[in-house]
Amino acid sequence: DAGITQSPRHKVTETGTPVTLRCHQTENHRYMYWYRQDPGHGLRLIHYSYGVKDTDKGEVSDGYSVSRSKTEDFLLTLESATSSQTSVYFCAISETWGQGLGEQYFGPGTRLTVT
Amino acid sequence: RKEVEQDPGPFNVPEGATVAFNCTYSNSASQSFFWYRQDCRKEPKLLMSVYSSGNEDGRFTAQLNRASQYISLLIRDSKLSDSATYLCVVPPLNDYKLSFGAGTTVTVRA
Repeated sequence: DAGITQSPRHKVTETGTPVTLRCHQTENHRYMYWYRQDPGHGLRLIHYSYGVKDTDKGEVSDGYSVSRSKTEDFLLTLESATSSQTSVYFCAISETWGQGLGEQYFGPGTRLTVT
Repeated sequence: RKEVEQDPGPFNVPEGATVAFNCTYSNSASQSFFWYRQDCRKEPKLLMSVYSSGNEDGRFTAQLNRASQYISLLIRDSKLSDSATYLCVVPPLNDYKLSFGAGTTVTVRA
């Protein structure tokens, strides 16, 4: 299995509080991604990174920010959590882009509940 | 039209049966295709990559139909452990943003 960890694995937080999720990889892959998964919506891309300090928005980026200061770490921050951000968050990595972009390896996920 | 569309199922089949389902894609220029499986409350895991007409890995066969723009996944001799949601992925040609299908749920019963 690819070396990807996420922390925390579970979190309950209150509306309006900031939350940071961490993704850590030991594969030295260039590309990293944050997805959320909700019933009826499947996996949706929040943000992605194509290198250290190089990030861009996905399809559901509102309310989220990211940072990547090292190859191995990709942080997702909810500046002020809302109940609509209750979800399962997956981090993924890939070694290539273009047609090889589909070979992604996922972390175990973080279950976030915003009350 | 969505970039990737899947029949959500569920497909409920007995052990030993063959089950097949499709994934349609919108970009006729797509060159690579991927199937993932996702167990309940777990992360998606890469099952199979398809770069040409198809691919086979044991009981799993993926076939590409470029004319009709769909890729199928066939599972032979189904096992209870094949129960999962199968996700189809078709990468964009010049972008980093990957689109996942919503998934097809397969349940294999004893």
